Parts: sequence; C-alpha cells; structure tokens
Amino acid sequence: QKEVEQDPGPLSVPEGAIVSLNCTYSNSAFQYFMWYRQYSRKGPELLMYTYSSGNKEDGRFTAQVDKSSKYISLFIRDSQPSDSATYLCAMSADRGSTLGRLYFGRGTQLTVWP
Amino acid sequence: DSGVTQTPKHLITATGQRVTLRCSPRSGDLSVYWYQQSLDQGLQFLIQYYNGEERAKGNILERFSAQQFPDLHSELNLSSLELGDSALYFCASSVAPRDGQETQYFGPGTRLLVL
Repeated sequence: QKEVEQDPGPLSVPEGAIVSLNCTYSNSAFQYFMWYRQYSRKGPELLMYTYSSGNKEDGRFTAQVDKSSKYISLFIRDSQPSDSATYLCAMSADRGSTLGRLYFGRGTQLTVWP
Repeated sequence: DSGVTQTPKHLITATGQRVTLRCSPRSGDLSVYWYQQSLDQGLQFLIQYYNGEERAKGNILERFSAQQFPDLHSELNLSSLELGDSALYFCASSVAPRDGQETQYFGPGTRLLVL
C-alpha cells in the first residue's frame, strides 16, 4: 500500500462547477499537508499549505484536513478552464530545520470545459 | 516562474550512458531536493541536500548520485542508464522561514528519454 493514495481521474467538469479532490494516507506522523497544481510539461506549484487538522481558504480554493480519518480534500469553487491541470496532494512528517521530503499522491487530472 | 532553474530541459541518450542534470535553487534557499516523476510511480523523492550536506535519502538507485556545491547549485548524476530511467526529474528548493511555514519551490524539470 502506498503511503498516499489519490484517485488519478481524469475528472471533467463544466465551467462554474465545484470540484472536490481527495487523498487518503496511512502514516499518522504526517503533520504538513499541501496541494500542488501541475500544468502540462511544467513543474508543480504550491496552491495550499495546511498544518495539522482544519480548514484553510484562499480565494476559490479550500483545503480540509481530517487527521482522524487520514483524509484531505481540496475544493475549487467556480471552476475555470484555467484550472485545468493535474492536482497533486503532498504531505510531510519532518520538521527540524527544514520541511524534509514530501510524499506525493499520483495526482488527479482535471479538465474544466467552457 | 518559481526561481528554480534546471538544465537541460530535454535529454535524449542511450542505455548504458551517463548524464548530469543541473539545478540552481532560488536565491537564499539552502535546501535542494530531487524528485523523479514517471507515469507509473508519480512523484518520488530521491535525495535532499542542505547547505552542501546530504540530509535525507529516498528511493534513489545506487547508479544515481548527487551533490550540492558551495554556491548551492546541485547536480544529479545518473549512470548506466536503463530504459526505465526515462522520466521527468525535478529539483525543488526551500528555506525555513521565521514563521515556520516552509514551501518547496519546483523547477521546470528535465525530461530524460533513454533509448
């Protein structure tokens, strides 16, 4: 079993829809949870960063972490064609003086059509 | 643009060969991470350097090695290449900020094709 599981999709929605992306994980030591967006042939870029459980909102994006269920979610409201990309969840247990290695899900490919 | 640069963008080589991938971190970032992204495995952590020293190792093959130089740029050396080494190789850099929230910034990647 991989430490981070993510449904690869693909997911196709109309413009304006609410998108829900999810990951589950098995390592209870994970404390830092991130969502990255990766456009085709580009490097991943950080969208959201959450420490421990709870919600975080940034514009149209909301990240939720439920550590008791080992489940994280990313919601995209009023989705736009420019949101079409692969969304990767990532998490880490390390702190120390640096974040340490990230464990990534396989990524969910999202297409938002006009 | 994340501020992390990687060269070359594309690399085509033959099995058994050796290649070197280069990464320049963002200005001021002391940590460099290398990741491999393939279709079947997703993004996999290879190795981390912090201020010139190896900090953590992941799923890095013995045929692969890396180093971080005094100017903080890093190189990933891949030798005795096999078809299965074809993948995207990403470098990321980070610095631990005062507020405790750290971000890894990814470069554009090097696409390696082994024929």
